[in-house]
Amino acid sequence: QKEVEQNSGPLSVPEGAIASLNCTYSDRGSQSFFWYRQYSGKSPELIMFIYSNGDKEDGRFTAQLNKASQYVSLLIRDSQPSDSATYLCAVKKGPGGYQKVTFGTGTKLQVIP
Amino acid sequence: GAVVSQHPSRVICKSGTSVKIECRSLDFQATTMFWYRQFPKQSLMLMATSNEGSKATYEQGVEKDKFLINHASLTLSTLTVTSAHPEDSSFYICSAKDRRAGLGNQPQHFGDGTRLSIL
Repeated sequence: QKEVEQNSGPLSVPEGAIASLNCTYSDRGSQSFFWYRQYSGKSPELIMFIYSNGDKEDGRFTAQLNKASQYVSLLIRDSQPSDSATYLCAVKKGPGGYQKVTFGTGTKLQVIP
Repeated sequence: GAVVSQHPSRVICKSGTSVKIECRSLDFQATTMFWYRQFPKQSLMLMATSNEGSKATYEQGVEKDKFLINHASLTLSTLTVTSAHPEDSSFYICSAKDRRAGLGNQPQHFGDGTRLSIL
């Protein structure tokens, strides 16, 4: 079982729709969860991070965390063609600032104009 | 926001060449930097954790004698791919964490990556 699992996609949504990206993780001790966006040939850029169960909203983005189900998601409202990218879920175990972050393989999102 | 500069952005060289990649934190000090490698259509794979003033910690399966890491200051870490071969061709990305974040859970800041192509 992979430590962090994501559906590779592509996930295609029409412009203006809500895109829902999902991620599951295997280590119950994980405490920090991150969503990164990566355009082709570029390095990842942070979208959001979440530590507590529930929802966290930032503009058009909402991260959702359910530690009991070991599940984290990212919702993108009013999707734009510029949102087309690969979205990486990342998980960090436990406390301690220098523990490594494990990345999922990413979900490719295509927003159709 | 925090900026991490990575140089060079692209390298094309012959097999057997050694290549050095620099990673600098421009507006913060980073006690720890991370080096990742990403093959096409695959996720980021952590290669090593670079600690200022001490030896790097390598992930399982990463040859420390082939991938030399030096973290001589709080703002600079270098990765040297020694005697590079075509199978080393990949996208190498560094990231750094602001030392002021301490033991908190703040995210890392990524450099723009270096695309290495070995002929």
